[in-house]
Amino acid sequence: EVVMTQSPATLSVSPGERATLSCWASQTVYSNLAWYQQKFGQAPRLLFYGASARATGIPARFSGSGSGTNFTLTISSLQSEDLAVYFCQQYNNWPYTFGQGTKLDIK
Amino acid sequence: QVLLVQSGAEVKKPGASVKVSCKASGYTFTGYHLHWLRQAPGQGLEWMGWIIPNSGITNFAQKFQGRVTVTRDTSINTAYMELTGLTSVDTAVYYCARSTGGYYYFDSWGQGTVITVSS
Repeated sequence: EVVMTQSPATLSVSPGERATLSCWASQTVYSNLAWYQQKFGQAPRLLFYGASARATGIPARFSGSGSGTNFTLTISSLQSEDLAVYFCQQYNNWPYTFGQGTKLDIK
Repeated sequence: QVLLVQSGAEVKKPGASVKVSCKASGYTFTGYHLHWLRQAPGQGLEWMGWIIPNSGITNFAQKFQGRVTVTRDTSINTAYMELTGLTSVDTAVYYCARSTGGYYYFDSWGQGTVITVSS
């Protein structure tokens, strides 16, 4: 199975600053990578698929990039409502696997 | 809008079974794969399996094979996930989620069902 690794585990960023979250796959997943945002007590919400295709309703301050084994989620100007855990997921190989998540704290 | 509404929280004893429902609305139920995932307390997400509502064909992660059954009732746009032989490690929030086309990312999610296994 493809192992997904995210770093850092926790990231503290001040409002208005940039947040950069990383995700690595143990083998290539091409661009078959999705990002999700999960706020406390809620179900995950799709942010990106195909590594960089923004899902419906996702603000432009969020961007996704990468291919192969290295992927990045960037929030260009952090807002207080971005407090959440962010997960990456590969869907290139069965079974579909997730990273352990990055918890984004607001300083 | 797409809506997936799951059944309520349950408490089960070790060795018991649980059946969770997921009612879909706002889209053509038979046109999309319907998946089940779970999230143990403070942990990440784990994909369990999917069903193709049109045919009833299912596919499960190896660790759940033999212990999970997923069915559907297309007359009421509802899918069901039954997990047997519950142990404490099955304590988790269980989600249903939809995927689009042949790509297995999840664009809509149910609200989650808390399953607690405790003696």
